[in-house]
Amino acid sequence: GNSVTQMEGPVTLSEEAFLTINCTYTATGYPSLFWYVQYPGEGLQLLLKATKADDKGSNKGFEATYRKETTSFHLEKGSVQVSDSAVYFCALSDPTLFASGGSYIPTFGRGTSLIVHP
Amino acid sequence: DTEVTQTPKHLVMGMTNKKSLKCEQHMGHRAMYWYKQKAKKPPELMFVYSYEKLSINESVPSRFSPECPNSSLLNLHLHALQPEDSALYLCASSQQGSSSYEQYFGPGTRLTVT
Repeated sequence: GNSVTQMEGPVTLSEEAFLTINCTYTATGYPSLFWYVQYPGEGLQLLLKATKADDKGSNKGFEATYRKETTSFHLEKGSVQVSDSAVYFCALSDPTLFASGGSYIPTFGRGTSLIVHP
Repeated sequence: DTEVTQTPKHLVMGMTNKKSLKCEQHMGHRAMYWYKQKAKKPPELMFVYSYEKLSINESVPSRFSPECPNSSLLNLHLHALQPEDSALYLCASSQQGSSSYEQYFGPGTRLTVT
């Protein structure tokens, strides 16, 4: 079956430090890959996505590249801010795993908590 | 409008109460989802609706009863819940037809069962 493996947190950094959160996956089909972010007290929101090999998703200074050869989608940011403190979820959506009517069912990683200190 | 709204934001209920959670989106999405999220865990899928029809029920106890009255609304009816059902309940929606479409999540309802 499908799975997403994320590094265990919390990841604790000082402001302006470099961030990497590792994510690797297994999937039956050729999945689309996503990073979602959940700020305290809120729902999840899409941070970035990539739908094919070598695609780079980017948003708000965050980047991740779809690496098919290593089945990875690591999240990076060059200089984190206190406001980036949140839980980050890596997820995949496999085109071979869908419900009737064309709904696709994502598989989420465990989530990685990021804490940024001033 | 790319917003999914959920009401109420917080809910405290006793084990004998009946209550409902509501979710609404106006993005024209025909796939809608209910998730349960415990603290420090990823969301767990409960139900999926496609074109207003229930297409997935992840073996959820019958004390949770979903309803999709129209393409914009999704309800979750709660009855005789247990304290272990206390969690954040998230609604999400997405476009149909491709695995490349992301989900849009609401802010959630924080449920406490006493």
